[in-house]
Amino acid sequence: DVQMTQFPSTLSASVGDRVTITCRASQSFSGWLAWYQQKLGKAPKVLIYKTSSLQSGVPSRFSGSGSGTDFTLTISSLQPDDFATYYCQQYNDYSRAFGQGTKVEIK
Amino acid sequence: QVQLQESGPGLVKPSETLSLTCTVSGTSVSSGLYYWSWIRQPPGKGLEWIGYVYYNGDTKYSPSLKSRVTISVDTSKNLFSLKLTSVTAADTAVYYCAREAAVYYFDYWGQGTLVTVSS
Repeated sequence: DVQMTQFPSTLSASVGDRVTITCRASQSFSGWLAWYQQKLGKAPKVLIYKTSSLQSGVPSRFSGSGSGTDFTLTISSLQPDDFATYYCQQYNDYSRAFGQGTKVEIK
Repeated sequence: QVQLQESGPGLVKPSETLSLTCTVSGTSVSSGLYYWSWIRQPPGKGLEWIGYVYYNGDTKYSPSLKSRVTISVDTSKNLFSLKLTSVTAADTAVYYCAREAAVYYFDYWGQGTLVTVSS
């Protein structure tokens, strides 16, 4: 199975900061990656799919990139509504797997 | 609009079988465009994919849960279901049902239902 390691596990940042979260696969895979935002007590919400495609309705300050084993989610200018936990999710022919999550906290 | 709603017992005894149903509206489980998935999240922890069912009954399960999981679909009622056998306290979690879109991400989720395993 492809395992996804996400880092950092916690990130402290201020409004307006540029934030980058990384997801690293245990082996290179040819599938795609998605990113989700989850707020306390709520279901996750997709932000990015197919590694770099922005889901409809998601602000353009969110972007995704990467290939092979390393993938990133970038928030260009952190807003108050962005303080949440973020998960990457990998797809391949055999399974789906989530990263462990990154909690973005107010600095 | 697309909605998914989990239902089932909130408390299950150890060694028994956890059974949940996801009722779908605004979209059809008979559509060949989607997979219908279960995902869980233990309290305070991350997300774990359990498996999916396709409209024709084809399934795929997480290797770590494969021996205990069955996911099925009922196209006549527009719902799909999860059964997890021989549960322990480690299976205590919020269980989500979700639709997996054609490009392999989960675009619609249920609100989640907490299942506690305890005697």
